[in-house]
Amino acid sequence: SAVISQKPSRDICQRGTSLTIQCQVDSQVTMMFWYRQQPGQSLTLIATANQGSEATYESGFVIDKFPISRPNLTFSTLTVSNLSPEDSSIYLCSVVLANTDTQYFGPGTRLTVL
Amino acid sequence: QQQVKQSPQSLIVQKGGIPIINCAYENTAFDYFPWYQQFPGKGPALLIAIRPDVSEKKEGRFTISFNKSAKQFSLHIMDSQPGDSATYFCAAHITSGTYKYIFGTGTRLKVLA
Repeated sequence: SAVISQKPSRDICQRGTSLTIQCQVDSQVTMMFWYRQQPGQSLTLIATANQGSEATYESGFVIDKFPISRPNLTFSTLTVSNLSPEDSSIYLCSVVLANTDTQYFGPGTRLTVL
Repeated sequence: QQQVKQSPQSLIVQKGGIPIINCAYENTAFDYFPWYQQFPGKGPALLIAIRPDVSEKKEGRFTISFNKSAKQFSLHIMDSQPGDSATYFCAAHITSGTYKYIFGTGTRLKVLA
């Protein structure tokens, strides 16, 4: 398995500001993903974080709003920019271990935008 | 074509009962089917997973049944306990042209003591 940490675990932000979420994993991983989970809903994939290159975004998500970095194999950041109350959600980092298709999730970051 | 349909949306069973959660898919390119358990305030945790060349897999009290021809799979929880009360998500993995997981809509399970 993998131990995944996310920082911060929760935050309350003002409209128009930005929040950067960090994801760190303790194992060799191939893939890293960022998901959004709105209260009581399923998981929606935001993007695949690619090491050393631009992330691959899903339909409906754009780099200007959700810039992502992945400088090495075990660390990634997601920034949620120009926050609005509609961005209030849980943001989850996930990883796929090397040589497997097994996906593990971090504990999530609960964002509230006022 | 990349959807995974999950049912029921919610489920209430008595302790010791066997809740069954069903998922269906259309895309035959899916090649790996995990189930996740999520407690409030926590990230989803991998419970059990199956590949389409296997019809059944058991791990402890959790069993996946897989019907490749019908493109359906289900999770059975034997001897359910109040501690199993959580939200369960099925998922399907694809690598054809991309690498991602598609999630079902989730089933909120409550096991009564």
